[in-house]
Amino acid sequence: GENVEQHPSTLSVQEGDSAVIKCTYSDSASNYFPWYKQELGKRPQLIIDIRSNVGEKKDQRIAVTLNKTAKHFSLHITETQPEDSAVYFCAASIGGGATNKLIFGTGTLLAVQP
Amino acid sequence: GAVVSQHPSWVICKSGTSVKIECRSLDFQATTMFWYRQFPKQSLMLMATSNEGSKATYEQGVEKDKFLINHASLTLSTLTVTSAHPEDSSFYICSARVIYSPLHFGNGTRLTVT
Repeated sequence: GENVEQHPSTLSVQEGDSAVIKCTYSDSASNYFPWYKQELGKRPQLIIDIRSNVGEKKDQRIAVTLNKTAKHFSLHITETQPEDSAVYFCAASIGGGATNKLIFGTGTLLAVQP
Repeated sequence: GAVVSQHPSWVICKSGTSVKIECRSLDFQATTMFWYRQFPKQSLMLMATSNEGSKATYEQGVEKDKFLINHASLTLSTLTVTSAHPEDSSFYICSARVIYSPLHFGNGTRLTVT
């Protein structure tokens, strides 16, 4: 079936450094790729998303890149801060129209050391 | 905007009883609602997709008779865990969206079956 692979599972960086999380997807028809941040015991929060007609999108310290040919997309966080520490999930859309659903990656625990 | 409310936040029940979880979109009409299950330190596993007025579509391996989903209106979906057992203990999260719009999550329900 369709799946989304995510790496690394854990990532520790020093405050101010950059963090990169990578995902690959299997369904070539996927056209929507959001990233969610989940703090312990809380709901996932959408932080950025990208559609398949765009190769890159940036929002302040966060950027996402998409390579449709290779079927992979990445999250880039620059100038990391301790409050960026959380679990990050990538996701890819499966199916179209009203049946469109999201399949999530396995998550990356990001720890930003002050 | 795009607030999804889930109730209860946590529930403890005895083995063999049933538990109902509600998911409401507070400020928008959701064309589709999704139910996810999340084990500790693991990803979000899609259980079922629910469209208003129609039967839910369950993912492979999810027992429809065990996890009853009702999507009575464009703002309310319910998940009933029937005859709960300890292995059903988990974090259940609903999400809702308007078609072609981002997915927004409820705050989750932690179910503990004793």
